[in-house]
Order: sequence, then structure tokens, then C-alpha cells
Amino acid sequence: DVKVTQSSRYLVKRTGEKVFLECVQDMDHENMFWYRQDPGLGLRLIYFSYDVKMKEKGDIPEGYSVSREKKERFSLILESASTNQTSMYLCASSQPGLAVYNEQFFGPGTRLTVL
Amino acid sequence: SQQGEEDPQALSIQEGENATMNCSYKTSINNLQWYRQNSGRGLVHLILIRSNEREKHSGRLRVTLDTSKKSSSLLITASRAADTASYFCATDPSMDSSYKLIFGSGTRLLVRP
Repeated sequence: DVKVTQSSRYLVKRTGEKVFLECVQDMDHENMFWYRQDPGLGLRLIYFSYDVKMKEKGDIPEGYSVSREKKERFSLILESASTNQTSMYLCASSQPGLAVYNEQFFGPGTRLTVL
Repeated sequence: SQQGEEDPQALSIQEGENATMNCSYKTSINNLQWYRQNSGRGLVHLILIRSNEREKHSGRLRVTLDTSKKSSSLLITASRAADTASYFCATDPSMDSSYKLIFGSGTRLLVRP
């Protein structure tokens, strides 16, 4: 079974802090994604990566950056956390070899609170 | 922008009843997928229906797809309290080769024991 893990389930940070959210998948998937989830807004794509060191902006990239130095690891960085970045963050991965299906596998989520 | 929109936003039913959730989308798709999310957890893939399919079954789940109306429905038969969760549709746009999925805002299902 595919396993996607996220470094923290709950995180509390202060405004202005630099925040790192880590995601690791163990199935050699090439695609990885970061979403944020807010009540009533569903999942919104922040960034995705289709290969090591490759990244593309999603729908809401402002205030975020990402890093993918290794295939299994995709990091989301909040350079200077703000209260409006309080949210649930979900990481996912998928395998382009199954492109006709394109199923995504999700981690358990990190609930980030910025005070 | 959100392509999939679920209806209703919330649904409360008695255990044993059937639950039906609907999803509408805007552009042509390769496939449509349904995911489930238990409270405070990640999403889990339930079922996928391809654009050339009209109906698909998996256990107590039945999914239909009407590409002419750009809509899909998820039916959960003989619901159980453990089915309480949020359900999301996700579309794989056929004009986009980036493997992104577009998620809707979800339907919250409560199954009362």
C-alpha cells in the first residue's frame, strides 16, 4: 500500500515565523501535491511537482514556496507565516504511469495554527 | 478555481437509508473520482469512473456519470454510522496533461445510528 506521511499532525506557530511542512511518500511516485483545505472551500492546490527539482504553481501559491530535492520528499515552506495561513494542509502523491487513472494518495494532514 | 461542485453541502440520514450525493463540473474530463475524508484526516480514494463509462459499482457504492450534463452522482446504499464523513468529487480535466485533479467543496454526510 502507498503510504504518504506528513511530519506533524498539529503545529502552532507565531506570525512571521518560517514554517516547514514535510511530506514523504514511499511508492516512488513522480507527482506530489500540496493542498490547503478550509471550511466551505474544499481543497485548493498550492503547488505541485512532477519530478525532482521541478515545481509548478497551483491556484493559490502566494505566500508559499516548495522544495523537492529527493523524489520521495516534498516540502512546503511558509516564508513568513501569517494568521490567514491557518488551515489544514494536505499532501498527496500520484504516479504518471497510471495517468489514465490519476488517483491521488493523501497523507493524514497537518493542522497549522498561526497565532 | 473549483470545477467540481457537490450537492448537497450537508446530508443527514438514518442508518440503513441510502445516501445520494451529486457533483457537477464545467469542462471535459478524462475521469471523475470520489474521495472520502473522515474528520480531521486525509482523503481516501473510493471509486473512479472514466469518461466513457456511465455507471460503476463497488460494494455499497454506485457512481453514475452523465457527460452530456457534466454531472455525477454517488449513491451509498444501506448506510452505516461508519459512513459518516465528507465526500469529495474530483475531476481529471482532459485538456490538462499535468495530472492535477480539481476537487469540489464536498458533501458532509452524517449517518445517525
